[in-house]
Amino acid sequence: AQSVSQHNHHVILSEAASLELGCNYSYGGTVNLFWYVQYPGQHLQLLLKYFSGDPLVKGIKGFEAEFIKSKFSFNLRKPSVQWSDTAEYFCAVNARAGSYQLTFGKGTKLSVIP
Amino acid sequence: NAGVTQTPKFQVLKTGQSMTLQCAQDMNHNSMYWYRQDPGMGLRLIYYSASEGTTDKGEVPNGYNVSRLNKREFSLRLESAAPSQTSVYFCASRLAGGGTDTQYFGPGTRLTVL
Repeated sequence: AQSVSQHNHHVILSEAASLELGCNYSYGGTVNLFWYVQYPGQHLQLLLKYFSGDPLVKGIKGFEAEFIKSKFSFNLRKPSVQWSDTAEYFCAVNARAGSYQLTFGKGTKLSVIP
Repeated sequence: NAGVTQTPKFQVLKTGQSMTLQCAQDMNHNSMYWYRQDPGMGLRLIYYSASEGTTDKGEVPNGYNVSRLNKREFSLRLESAAPSQTSVYFCASRLAGGGTDTQYFGPGTRLTVL
């Protein structure tokens, strides 16, 4: 069964600081990878996704993620965070071979201090 | 195009009461999902419906039943609510194929069981 680990439960940064959120998955086959964001009181929104091709994926609002197959990782990055990035971030994976199920990590809460 | 809609937004139940959470999508997606979100646990899959007429258990199905009423609608029923079912419930639908395998989420239902 696939699983997803997010290393940080809560990250606190000042505005303009750089962000990197870790995500590792365990599955031996080919996967699709996702980052979702949940702003306070809102539903999950897709931030970016990786299916194939260039392992550096760019998403909305200046976020990007890098897929490193050898490390089973899909870390999320942003060079300079803003107060409006305060949210919870979820990494998710599904096995590409006909799986209908998406497995989520437990989430990382990001607090950005003005 | 409303996307994924859920009713109700909030609900308070007493232990032993029953209720049905409604979900509808207008994106012509084949697959639909029910998740629960608890603090520090991320999202956990309760049930899913890969296509109209089929339903399958996810990670935490005990205490729940589902009905895929038609292609648009997927309901979640709690027959005898328990305090452990206090959670935020999210419905999602999935667009698949053509490199666009992505789940889209509804706004959620916040359920409290006393």
